[in-house]
Amino acid sequence: EIVLTQSPATLSLSPGERATLSCRASQTVLTYLAWYQQKPGQAPRLLIYDASYRATGVPARFSGSGSGTDFTLTISRLEPEDFAVYYCQQRSDWPPNFTFGPGTKVDLK
Amino acid sequence: EVQLVESGGGLIQPGGSLRLSCAASGFTFSTIYMGWVRQAPGKGLEWVSVIYSGGSTFYADSVKGRFTISRDNTNNTLFLQMNSLRAEDTAVYYCARGGHSDSSRGENFDYFGQGTLVTVSS
Repeated sequence: EIVLTQSPATLSLSPGERATLSCRASQTVLTYLAWYQQKPGQAPRLLIYDASYRATGVPARFSGSGSGTDFTLTISRLEPEDFAVYYCQQRSDWPPNFTFGPGTKVDLK
Repeated sequence: EVQLVESGGGLIQPGGSLRLSCAASGFTFSTIYMGWVRQAPGKGLEWVSVIYSGGSTFYADSVKGRFTISRDNTNNTLFLQMNSLRAEDTAVYYCARGGHSDSSRGENFDYFGQGTLVTVSS
């Protein structure tokens, strides 16, 4: 079973700053990693799939990178609406088993 | 516009059963894999189950043997039958649409409903 770990658990930043979030897999997931954003009281929203492709409607300030076991979500300049929890997710080869990381909370410094 | 609307949540006693529904619209339901993801109060996201367009189903170990996912492609509806419910099944349950990837290994969920709360308590 592939385990995802995310760091840091909490990231305290100010609007306009750059956010760098990390997701590490216990074994290679190639480039098959997704990132989600979730705001309080709301459903998750897909941001990035296949490690680096932005989902429909996602602003260009969000970017994903990485391969193998180490991945990064970068928010180039934080907007007020970006303060949220971010999760990474992968699907194992067989049988299909989807795993989410524990999340990184980006909060206001 | 893609819409997913869950229903069927509520308060249920341990050992009881509940059936969740998810009405889908705005896309060709029958051709896309669908899933359920849950979130316990104050906790992170946990995948529950997935069903593919061909009908294959898969479950998280925590619900295997107790939950059954199904779909009605005529009425564009996804279901989750939950039996032998436990306190640890208490969560908001989200219906989710399968997203795009260039490989089955990259499967993800690109739209979520607003969720329905299931509370298992005596």
